[in-house]
Amino acid sequence: QSVLTQPPSVSAAPGQKVTISCSGSSSNIGQNYVFWYQQFPGTAPKLLIYDNNKRPSGIPDRFSGSKSGTSAILGITGLQTGDEADYYCGTWDSSLSAVVFGGGTKLTVL
Amino acid sequence: QVQLVQSGAEVKQPGASVKVSCKASGYTFTGYFIQWVRQAPGQGLEWMGWINPDSGGTNYAQKFQGRVTMTRDTSISTAYMELSSLTSDDTAVYYCAREPRIGETDIHYWYSDIWGRGALVTVSS
Repeated sequence: QSVLTQPPSVSAAPGQKVTISCSGSSSNIGQNYVFWYQQFPGTAPKLLIYDNNKRPSGIPDRFSGSKSGTSAILGITGLQTGDEADYYCGTWDSSLSAVVFGGGTKLTVL
Repeated sequence: QVQLVQSGAEVKQPGASVKVSCKASGYTFTGYFIQWVRQAPGQGLEWMGWINPDSGGTNYAQKFQGRVTMTRDTSISTAYMELSSLTSDDTAVYYCAREPRIGETDIHYWYSDIWGRGALVTVSS
């Protein structure tokens, strides 16, 4: 049981937009920055978004992040088949004194 | 280039210990934290803790306290994670990851910008 809640899967057609939600509580998302990772099968996670909405160098602006209250959203526009991957949200939980993650969302580009 | 190179796959018997290494290159080893995250087969990410390579200070997730030890050797820019009393539930890919740090403080950003490729640890009799 993950501390952060993500939908197990989302899907959309190429070129479309998709959003992935990440729900937490006042002790984690509510008071700390959120980050997002992208993970392809058999590979290490890759940082997509940090500090709620910042993109590391090299991450296209098709990827965006936002946070409101105790929830965060990852948005992906102009979907490509190469975006098919698992996406994880994460943050610090001040009550647990631990980094916590969502259970991951599998993106399918139909 | 900036990279973290981890040791190879290991097979351990229940009750044994495993020590995974993580060699950093392309950046100042002591300028960033190292986090350890594991992923069981088909499962999500699980945070284990961090080490400050500069001071050697550590913080472990409560779940692993008493069973995990994170160390470093600054002379070879390498971090280590040792997990003891292994059970089949510890079968997972163990990742080390670099976490940005604000100057010489212990202030964390908590995200990791560079990851190792992972080390598969299989616990089986």
